[in-house]
Amino acid sequence: SQQGEEDPQALSIQEGENATMNCSYKTSINNLQWYRQNSGRGLVHLILIRSNEREKHSGRLRVTLDTSKKSSSLLITASRAADTASYFCATPGGGGNKLTFGTGTQLKVEL
Amino acid sequence: DAGVIQSPRHEVTEMGQEVTLRCKPISGHNSLFWYRQTMMRGLELLIYFNNNVPIDDSGMPEDRFSAKMPNASFSTLKIQPSEPRDSAVYFCASMDRGYGYTFGSGTRLTVV
Repeated sequence: SQQGEEDPQALSIQEGENATMNCSYKTSINNLQWYRQNSGRGLVHLILIRSNEREKHSGRLRVTLDTSKKSSSLLITASRAADTASYFCATPGGGGNKLTFGTGTQLKVEL
Repeated sequence: DAGVIQSPRHEVTEMGQEVTLRCKPISGHNSLFWYRQTMMRGLELLIYFNNNVPIDDSGMPEDRFSAKMPNASFSTLKIQPSEPRDSAVYFCASMDRGYGYTFGSGTRLTVV
């Protein structure tokens, strides 16, 4: 079963605009991760935020985590056409190192 | 490092045939994961290994699926016999403790 649900399912914006994607999850976690998947490729790890962190930055990426609401958001600032991809949140679940991935947000950045 | 290497990239086979997917994880990563991705079901974890030992195979759909990791640098996922509903992209990923996964480029399997 899916642990994370991303919202929106699809997002289309113009280059230079900001893109915000949200993720909701069901159970308590010790970290949450975001991944990007370009068409026809494997997933690429973007950022990991721990449960004791509220916000984390990496370049043009900003991730927030609200454990009380069981939600996270990924903000991509000043988007570029190269940011066009699907974005997934992932949470540890069921013990061990295994991750459960959400349903993904398809982002399209148009020139 | 060349990253996680999967082979083949594409596989087309007839129903009933045996299919073997291969994965070479990143050297030094102690966990290896097999996922399957379809439009309908998204990313599903099939099985994962820690230090070459299978830890959780609850995601393996049927006895037709089996996975092995004979050493730290190689893993296989086998489907025998294959069925059209097995058509999907199969990903292998490896992980070092405390960090995110590194995924391979995947094997696109089509069973006709």
